[in-house]
Formats: sequence, structure tokens, C-alpha cells
Amino acid sequence: QSVLTQPPSVSAAPGQKVTISCSGSSSNIGNNYVSWYQQFPGTAPKLLIHDNNKRSSGIPDRFSGSKSGTSATLGITGLQTGDEADYYCGTWDNSLSAGVFGGGTKLTVL
Amino acid sequence: QVQLQESGPGLVKPSETLSLTCTVSGYFISSDYYWGWIRQPPGKGLEWIGIIYDGGTTYYNPSLKSRVTISGDTSKNQFSLKLNSVTAADTAVYYCARADYHGAKTHMDVWGKGTTVTVSS
Repeated sequence: QSVLTQPPSVSAAPGQKVTISCSGSSSNIGNNYVSWYQQFPGTAPKLLIHDNNKRSSGIPDRFSGSKSGTSATLGITGLQTGDEADYYCGTWDNSLSAGVFGGGTKLTVL
Repeated sequence: QVQLQESGPGLVKPSETLSLTCTVSGYFISSDYYWGWIRQPPGKGLEWIGIIYDGGTTYYNPSLKSRVTISGDTSKNQFSLKLNSVTAADTAVYYCARADYHGAKTHMDVWGKGTTVTVSS
């Protein structure tokens, strides 16, 4: 059971927009910044978004992040088949004094 | 260009100690950043293990804290993970990463490729 809750899967058609949610609490998302990672099968995760909404170097502006209260959202517009991957949110948890990740969301581009 | 490379045994026996090393190139581990470990059991999500900063400041996942030690060797520009009393549940891909940690802000911005560790007799 992950500290942060993500939907197991989302899907959308090429060219469409999709959002992935990440729900936490006041001890984590509510008082800390959120990051998002993209992971293709058999490879290491890659940082997409940090500090809630800042894109990492080289990440296209089709990817965006936002946060409101104890939840965060990753948005992907102009979906491409190459975006099919697992996406994870992460943040710091003040109660645990440790980093935490969401359970991950598998994106399917139909 | 910062690069991280994990190394260590791919097979560990139950009840023994898992030991991995992360060699960093392109950046001194004694500067500015934390350095950490994350693991991913087969078919499952990411699990944060812990991070270390120059001087020895560490933070560990409470669920692993009693079995984990992360240490650094600035002379070799490496940091290491030791996980004792392993069981099959510790079988996973283990990643090392650079952690940008400043109070409310934390993220892993550079990752190693990962190394698979299997716990089996």
C-alpha cells in the first residue's frame, strides 16, 4: 500500500489529453513539492516534473504538473504512442522523514 | 554529464547481507546533493530506500530502517547500500540516484540504470 494514491491505469487516443492524479495528505503533498517520473519497461525512471510544475531539462511542454491541496496532477497533451509508459509521483513525507512514491499509473495510448 | 552506475552481487542468500555500490562520475558526491537508493520489486512500483549527504546525514524508509545502512566514500566518489537479513521480498531492481533535497523540495534528477538482485538459496 503506497502512501500516495494513483490510478492503476489510464488510457486515451493519440492526439488527446490525459491527466494522472496523485493523492496524499497534509504530511506529504499538502506541505511539500511533488515530482513526476516516467518509466519505460526495463529502464530506469526519468524525472519529468519537479517542484510541482517545473519541467526537467529536455522535457517537452506537452507535459505539465500542478498541485492543489493534498493532490497533484500530471497532464499530457498531444498524446503519442511513445508516451506509453508507467508514471510515478513522488514527494517528501514529514511524518516519515522519508521520500515516498505513488503506486504508479500505466498509460495506454489506444 | 553526471552518470551513476550500480554494482554488486546479483544473487544473495536468504538471511545474508545485500551490498551494492554506486559509482558516480561527472560530479563530486561531497557537493550540494544527497545520494540515494530506490528499489522496484518485479512487476511492482518504486520504493524509496534512503538518502545520504556529505558528512553522513541520512534518511531511511522507516519500514527498512532497522536493516539498512547507506554510507559514502568521497575518496572513491562512491556511496553504498547494505541491507541485512534479506528475504525473498527484497528481490528487486535496485537503483541509485542523485537526490535534490532541500526541506520541502525533493526529487531524484539523475538515475543509474539499475541492477537486479535476487534473494534465493
